Amino acid sequence: LAKTTQPISMDSYEGQEVNITCSHNNIATNDYITWYQQFPSQGPRFIIQGYKTKVTNEVASLFIPADRKSSTLSLPRVSLSDTAVYYCLVGANTGGFKTIFGAGTRLFVKA
Amino acid sequence: GAVVSQHPSWVICKSGTSVKIECRSLDFQATTMFWYRQFPKQSLMLMATSNEGSKATYEQGVEKDKFLINHASLTLSTLTVTSAHPEDSSFYICSAPTLAGAKNIQYFGAGTRLSVL
Repeated sequence: LAKTTQPISMDSYEGQEVNITCSHNNIATNDYITWYQQFPSQGPRFIIQGYKTKVTNEVASLFIPADRKSSTLSLPRVSLSDTAVYYCLVGANTGGFKTIFGAGTRLFVKA
Repeated sequence: GAVVSQHPSWVICKSGTSVKIECRSLDFQATTMFWYRQFPKQSLMLMATSNEGSKATYEQGVEKDKFLINHASLTLSTLTVTSAHPEDSSFYICSAPTLAGAKNIQYFGAGTRLSVL
């Protein structure tokens, strides 16, 4: 499983766009990149998944450069409720792949 | 999205007793489920992979006789913490992957906070 590196913490203000970058230099050809969000005392929640280029859904965008050695989760116009820990995971998109969590990025959104 | 239900959400027990935690996939079948534990301000640590109809696979350093896992059906996995001690107090989370739309996404339970007195 490819190791991931993220900033330990980030601060932002309400209404700003937040970009969290994840490094995964050893990503394999079959690996997908998946981001999860976790609030205190809750299980993680799926945000977005991608393989290359750009993926967008109703909550976030995921930018993946051509070499796929990094990815950036973009949260548009954050609110206080986006304060959470964000995890970047890399793994093969096959049934039941083992999910190893890194340290994650603790995002704190201020008023 | 898919729903994973975890029960109980909070349990307090005396040292030496056993505690069972249930993890159910409500609207999909899961031949594999995962169990994690999480200490305050730390990331999730994978404990074991629960396999339907076969033995669980434990991560290095996790005592299989301490943390009993049973995956008797395609929608239910249980984790039993046997002879619990205060150091077993933690937040336990389960997950199940689904291949919805060919995307392998993990769906997580809400977690179980175990406090051993």
